[in-house]
Amino acid sequence: QKEVEQNSGPLSVPEGAIASLNCTYSDRGSQSFFWYRQYSGKSPELIMSIYSNGDKEDGRFTAQLNKASQYVSLLIRDSQPSDSATYLCAARNSGNTPLVFGKGTRLSVIA
Amino acid sequence: ETGVTQSPTHLIKTRGQQVTLRCSSQSGHNTVSWYQQALGQGPQFIFQYYREEENGRGNFPPRFSGLQFPNYSSELNVNALELDDSALYLCASSGSTRGRNQETQYFGPGTRLLVL
Repeated sequence: QKEVEQNSGPLSVPEGAIASLNCTYSDRGSQSFFWYRQYSGKSPELIMSIYSNGDKEDGRFTAQLNKASQYVSLLIRDSQPSDSATYLCAARNSGNTPLVFGKGTRLSVIA
Repeated sequence: ETGVTQSPTHLIKTRGQQVTLRCSSQSGHNTVSWYQQALGQGPQFIFQYYREEENGRGNFPPRFSGLQFPNYSSELNVNALELDDSALYLCASSGSTRGRNQETQYFGPGTRLLVL
């Protein structure tokens, strides 16, 4: 059974702080990893994808992957109230195979 | 905007009825995946269509069926609706598009289904 685990939260951080979201996965065959942001009542929106061990930065977002530990994280620098949402971690095997999602972590950025 | 559209946006049905949900994929994408997202849960994979053929299926009963058309748009059909089918149904498109990673799935706005 392929599983992706996330802490459901809520994770509360003050405005301007760094938010750290974590995710573990069970399938060692997973090769691609994705972070989606989902506002209440809306569909998931892709924020980051990461395929290799290490860090990948895009603006205020940094994704980190450690395949040996089967661990993926997302850091959000200078958190804004508009970042308040549920963040979904997803993993997949090679090619265009289905995404396996975690349940999501609810982030609340307090002004 | 992902370029993926879904219809209808909301739907109310009663137990035992049948429903058809529709999805238009992003231009140039040849793969459509359907997911069910219950309240407070992550999306769960239903099935995927690639060039008009089913290309993988999750742990959903046969009353969940689908189609993909030559223009790569897709339908999700659910027969004999049950209360637990109430959820947000998401369509995601992916595939070869110039300048984009083939694997990335882009979601449509979803269809919220309520079964009474």
